[in-house]
Amino acid sequence: AQTVTQSQPEMSVQEAETVTLSCTYDTSESDYYLFWYKQPPSRQMILVIRQEAYKQQNATENRFSVNFQKAAKSFSLKISDSQLGDAAMYFCAYRSAYNDMRFGAGTRLTVKP
Amino acid sequence: GAVVSQHPSWVICKSGTSVKIECRSLDFQATTMFWYRQFPKQSLMLMATSNEGSKATYEQGVEKDKFLINHASLTLSTLTVTSAHPEDSSFYICSARTSRSGGETQYFGPGTRLLVL
Repeated sequence: AQTVTQSQPEMSVQEAETVTLSCTYDTSESDYYLFWYKQPPSRQMILVIRQEAYKQQNATENRFSVNFQKAAKSFSLKISDSQLGDAAMYFCAYRSAYNDMRFGAGTRLTVKP
Repeated sequence: GAVVSQHPSWVICKSGTSVKIECRSLDFQATTMFWYRQFPKQSLMLMATSNEGSKATYEQGVEKDKFLINHASLTLSTLTVTSAHPEDSSFYICSARTSRSGGETQYFGPGTRLLVL
């Protein structure tokens, strides 16, 4: 079964600094997608970034980028120039063509002014 | 991004009553919709997957007779919590999958907070 592990329950970053959130996953499949979702206090799940496993290039979305290491099954999220609005729960998620989306336990990010 | 709406956002009901939650994809057609449950400070737990026009597939441990799911059209799925009890109090989130934007992505509704008294 596919599992997603986020080993950092909580992280803290100073405003304008950079922070990296870790995620590892376990799978025997070769074709899959990886996601990072943000859940602010409103609890609305917001897609931050998506990575297709067949793509070697790391996905980027403005201040958000990933470090996708397929062999190591690692998918970390880097947030640059952190802003107060980045404070939220961040969930790493995995989905393959044959299975539904599975989420990690989440990392609560605090941004200090 | 694609928009998914959920209604109601808040519902308080008495124990023993049934509650229906609607999930709509507003600007796209979703062949597959998902229902999740989230307890405070926990991750999302998949309850069931529904495909338009067919019966929902429930995850292990989820009572299909208690959580009725209907996916009547490509833009609407409903979750009915039948004979609700206080332990059903939770945050319910729906999600719809689309192939737009160059790849399959799931978009989430804003969630429904259910409190059963």
